[in-house]
Amino acid sequence: DPKIIQKPKYLVAVTGSEKILICEQYLGHNAMYWYRQSAKKPLEFMFSYSYQKLMDNQTASSRFQPQSSKKNHLDLQITALKPDDSATYFCASSQHSEQYFGPGTRLTVL
Amino acid sequence: SQLAEENPWALSVHEGESVTVNCSYKTSITALQWYRQKSGEGPAQLILIRSNEREKRNGRLRATLDTSSQSSSLSITATRCEDTAVYFCATDVWTGNYKYVFGAGTRLKVIA
Repeated sequence: DPKIIQKPKYLVAVTGSEKILICEQYLGHNAMYWYRQSAKKPLEFMFSYSYQKLMDNQTASSRFQPQSSKKNHLDLQITALKPDDSATYFCASSQHSEQYFGPGTRLTVL
Repeated sequence: SQLAEENPWALSVHEGESVTVNCSYKTSITALQWYRQKSGEGPAQLILIRSNEREKRNGRLRATLDTSSQSSSLSITATRCEDTAVYFCATDVWTGNYKYVFGAGTRLKVIA
């Protein structure tokens, strides 16, 4: 059974629209994260949450907003989408220092 | 500049051969993780090695850590075609949670 679920696997959006990327983890971890991976850059840290509280934000743009409705959920809302937002977005979770990644959502913005 | 960097950028070996990927990093760490990412998948953790450890093994994988030179290596013995993937090292940074800083990866191709 998958331990970290990300939905959808693929997402196509038009410039200017808004999308929500879903992440649920069933590892019992208290910390959750979002990372972004594009063809041009290495895997890039975006946000970390602990017990549903924001701990670190390395994303300059306020267009990216994490949302944690439950301890094991951390969704990512992206508004006013731009073509440069096209990337694969990975959710991760950890307990102590071992971090595990989900399968990713590949977002394409046209 | 990257806080963690793997080298070489890419390499290929024949099945059954051994291979080593190197990592250099620039920060003080409490742990370093090696990940493997196959095409279309998320990174999968291979080995976590803590700053007080010099070597860690996981089956055919062996990781070393030298904190004095800020370097690590990942060796794979008896490679298989399914080892074909991108290999990343990632160093931890504490910001209330541990977050990991990744390098650009080494692209390994294992040829049958």
